[in-house]
Amino acid sequence: DGGITQSPKYLFRKEGQNVTLSCEQNLNHDAMYWYRQDPGQGLRLIYYSQIVNDFQKGDIAEGYSVSREKKESFPLTVTSAQKNPTAFYLCASRGGAGTGELFFGEGSRLTVL
Amino acid sequence: SQQGEEDPQALSIQEGENATMNCSYKTSINNLQWYRQNSGRGLVHLILIRSNEREKHSGRLRVTLDTSKKSSSLLITASRAADTASYFCVIRRKLSFGAGTTVTVRA
Repeated sequence: DGGITQSPKYLFRKEGQNVTLSCEQNLNHDAMYWYRQDPGQGLRLIYYSQIVNDFQKGDIAEGYSVSREKKESFPLTVTSAQKNPTAFYLCASRGGAGTGELFFGEGSRLTVL
Repeated sequence: SQQGEEDPQALSIQEGENATMNCSYKTSINNLQWYRQNSGRGLVHLILIRSNEREKHSGRLRVTLDTSKKSSSLLITASRAADTASYFCVIRRKLSFGAGTTVTVRA
């Protein structure tokens, strides 16, 4: 079945370490998004990519980096520069045609020890 | 602001009752979407209403849109325990999300 896969589901990291979250989709969607969600809050946009080899900063890009070398993949790196990285991270994709419905992965929960 | 703002922040109802939540926004829109998030999970698309539509139904969901008031409402009829979740509205191409409405359905 088509969908979005995020891994790992849970991740622990020591302060000062970079960590990369994986997001893969087989929906043939052009656009992909990374969001951060803190407890009891909404989603804040970190980065988005409308097409391969192109991406844009969202509202809270500082301390994060992305790449979009393949249409199917949009990995997010949480760098040591991110001051408060403990959060729930959600990846989504959207097709180019149609309504603009977002399809979400199941999320990755990052905890910094 | 390019995102919708949901109201109320939280809602607690008895199973079988209806749940109504609202979304207000400030910009012009082409469409408005509602999503559900179960605790600790990804979001799921529920329904989309276009700017030229006033009401739309999907199963137990009813969405209304009033572009003159820049507001939308989501009604869940005959609520079930499985409806316990957070609900978000989304309005812009950049797809920004507000804080959502957390609905708790009591058995």
